[in-house]
Amino acid sequence: GDSVTQMEGPVTLSEEAFLTINCTYTATGYPSLFWYVQYPGEGLQLLLKATKADDKGSNKGFEATYRKETTSFHLEKGSVQVSDSAVYFCALDASGGSYIPTFGRGTSLIVHP
Amino acid sequence: SQTIHQWPATLVQPVGSPLSLECTVEGTSNPNLYWYRQAAGRGLQLLFYSVGIGQISSEVPQNLSASRPQDRQFILSSKKLLLSDSGFYLCAWTTGVDTQYFGPGTRLTVL
Repeated sequence: GDSVTQMEGPVTLSEEAFLTINCTYTATGYPSLFWYVQYPGEGLQLLLKATKADDKGSNKGFEATYRKETTSFHLEKGSVQVSDSAVYFCALDASGGSYIPTFGRGTSLIVHP
Repeated sequence: SQTIHQWPATLVQPVGSPLSLECTVEGTSNPNLYWYRQAAGRGLQLLFYSVGIGQISSEVPQNLSASRPQDRQFILSSKKLLLSDSGFYLCAWTTGVDTQYFGPGTRLTVL
């Protein structure tokens, strides 16, 4: 079945450091890929998405590129801020319109001043 | 604009007691609705989803149940809570194209 694998956290960085959170997937067909962010005590929010190979999703300085050849969708940001501290979830949808997404386990990011 | 509400925000219940969590969506019609549980230090577990009134699909066997009495209302219930039911419960909706929108969640502690 479909699956998403994320790097385990927590990832701890200093402010202004470069961020990479790895995400790889296994799916049949051509899934859409997503990154969601969850701030402490809140629900998830969509951060960015990509719907086909080589698409780049971007939002709030975060980027991720849909790499079909490596089945990856790594999240990157050039300079993190303390306010980026949150849990980040990679997800895919290969349900063909039913939208039953598969989520990774989440990666906690802690940014220190 | 669309809004999703969940209540209560926090709940502490004894083992064996019943449960009712409610989720309502505003500003859209005929959404797909979802219940997820997030246990401490773990990812999201899909519990139930619904594509219409009275239509419920269950992803995992458990002592929880879900109902959708109205188009934009989704209820999660239990007759007798277990310790393992503790967690953060999230309701979400989508119009079926892509992108889920999540509610603020309910923190349930079973003692």
